[in-house]
Amino acid sequence: DTAVSQTPKYLVTQMGNDKSIKCEQNLGHDTMYWYKQDSKKFLKIMFSYNNKELIINETVPNRFSPKSPDKAHLNLHINSLELGDSAVYFCASSQEVNSVAPLHFGNGTRLTVT
Amino acid sequence: LAKTTQPISMDSYEGQEVNITCSHNNIATNDYITWYQQFPSQGPRFIIQGYKTKVTNEVASLFIPADRKSSTLSLPRVSLSDTAVYYCLVGDKGNTPLVFGKGTRLSVIA
Repeated sequence: DTAVSQTPKYLVTQMGNDKSIKCEQNLGHDTMYWYKQDSKKFLKIMFSYNNKELIINETVPNRFSPKSPDKAHLNLHINSLELGDSAVYFCASSQEVNSVAPLHFGNGTRLTVT
Repeated sequence: LAKTTQPISMDSYEGQEVNITCSHNNIATNDYITWYQQFPSQGPRFIIQGYKTKVTNEVASLFIPADRKSSTLSLPRVSLSDTAVYYCLVGDKGNTPLVFGKGTRLSVIA
């Protein structure tokens, strides 16, 4: 059983399109995250949700909108895609917010905007 | 989050013990030290976490000196499958990792 699964694994699309990436965790964790890994390999947090509530919203364009229908799911919707959005997007979860509990990551979605 | 410094890359032969050191001079009293491993095309995977002295699990050992200004991840008898990027993070409760640095790229050679 995959603990944190995200789909699709690859996403190729044109500028201006709208796309979504889905994430699900079956670990029973309360907190979920979206991270972006750019071409320089830095992995930076975008959003964090705890029990469906937004906790962290880093400086991310408002074209990016996370949606958490329940605490096991955190989807990422991106409007009006731009070339600079090309990156690998990772979903993650942890047992609880405000703890040192380790993060559990999905295997990433490689987004290519042409 | 305390700033960390680790080597950009390391090479090792199969079967050797590999030690990766991370410097964190401004570590705070409540900070824990956590290491992650990332294989190509995968997300980072938690390896080990510690606060002081030594922690060991089935994958690795983590050595933390008394002043806690550095830590060393020790991988016993590495194999080709240990080729990955290793990240050191330092933080406490309420400090969600905002950024993973570039990590240490370990290449294991046959």
